[in-house]
Amino acid sequence: GDSVTQMEGPVTLSEEAFLTINCTYTATGYPSLFWYVQYPGEGLQLLLKATKADDKGSNKGFEATYRKETTSFHLEKGSVQVSDSAVYFCALSLYNQGGKLIFGQGTELSVKP
Amino acid sequence: EAGVAQSPRYKIIEKRQSVAFWCNPISGHATLYWYQQILGQGPKLLIQFQNNGVVDDSQLPKDRFSAERLKGVDSTLKIQPAKLEDSAVYLCASSPRQSNAGELFFGEGSRLTVL
Repeated sequence: GDSVTQMEGPVTLSEEAFLTINCTYTATGYPSLFWYVQYPGEGLQLLLKATKADDKGSNKGFEATYRKETTSFHLEKGSVQVSDSAVYFCALSLYNQGGKLIFGQGTELSVKP
Repeated sequence: EAGVAQSPRYKIIEKRQSVAFWCNPISGHATLYWYQQILGQGPKLLIQFQNNGVVDDSQLPKDRFSAERLKGVDSTLKIQPAKLEDSAVYLCASSPRQSNAGELFFGEGSRLTVL
């Protein structure tokens, strides 16, 4: 079935370090791919998305490129801040499944000053 | 614009008791979702509504879970009787339309602890 696999956390980085969170997917069709973020005490919110192969989603300094050949959508940021500490979820959505999201298990990021 | 509202934020019950969660989506959003998020896991879809009709309830444990969206606006999710494994955060999300390519707006969730 359709699924998303993320690298396990927690990930602990120092401020200004480079961030990569790996995400791979399995899908029967051509999914749209998403990164959602959950800050402490807040609800899930969309961080970025890509709807077709080779698209790059970006927001708040984060980027992810839809790689069909490797079925991946890795999240990257060049210089993390303490305020980026949160749980990050990779997800996919298939058009013929009504827009519902299938999530990975989440990766907790902790950024130390 | 007001976000997705959920209540209660926290609930503690004994096993075999019942509980209900309420969700009010963003005004005008036709599609409403209930997700279950167990600690350390990603959210899992329980049920999806389009207006007041059910689109997908294939993952809803229908022997104990029920959900309704009678007027196509707010929704309730009920668990009766609760089991220990139902301890989780119940997330409500809404979207302007079914085909909105996974762009969902989530509430803060209702955290359930079953003792």
